[in-house]
Amino acid sequence: DVKVTQSSRYLVKRTGEKVFLECVQDMDHENMFWYRQDPGLGLRLIYFSYDVKMKEKGDIPEGYSVSREKKERFSLILESASTNQTSMYLCASSLKGSLEYNEQFFGPGTRLTVL
Amino acid sequence: GESVGLHLPTLSVQEGDNSIINCAYSNSASDYFIWYKQESGKGPQFIIDIRSNMDKRQGQRVTVLLNKTVKHLSLQIAATQPGDSAVYFCAENIYGGSQGNLIFGKGTKLSVKP
Repeated sequence: DVKVTQSSRYLVKRTGEKVFLECVQDMDHENMFWYRQDPGLGLRLIYFSYDVKMKEKGDIPEGYSVSREKKERFSLILESASTNQTSMYLCASSLKGSLEYNEQFFGPGTRLTVL
Repeated sequence: GESVGLHLPTLSVQEGDNSIINCAYSNSASDYFIWYKQESGKGPQFIIDIRSNMDKRQGQRVTVLLNKTVKHLSLQIAATQPGDSAVYFCAENIYGGSQGNLIFGKGTKLSVKP
């Protein structure tokens, strides 16, 4: 059974704190993604990674960074959390390759509140 | 369909009725489409997918229809059950492009009345 796990379901942090969100997948997928989801705005891509140590900016990378040191793990970092980063954060992974149709498998999400 | 402003479109159906959820996709070059279901407090789950060389695909109680002429996708759920209550959204992808990046619609909330 394929699985994407996220380190926390709920997280409460204070403005200015550095926040780490961890995501692990056990499917040996090359691609990993971080999204945030806000009411009425749908899923917005923050960063993605095609391979270990590779990262690409998505649509809304400002205020975030990522780390991919191992294939199975993709971390999202909020360098200095702000209240407008209160959101649901979703991690996903998918197979790489032009011969594959790229269904993304999602984790359960982390609901982050920044006070 | 696509959301307007901050509010998700909502579809309310009676248990046992059929549901039809619509999605207008954005890129005429997209050739792979997915429907996801997201229950409250959970991550999205894959329901069904379809390639652009097809116009219909059926799963268990679900059917996806693709109309490439008008860039429209629909999800039909037969005999809707309370467990089908969730937000449904479509996603599109270009085959072999963008390393698997999906473009997501904003979603439709399905509410099933017992």
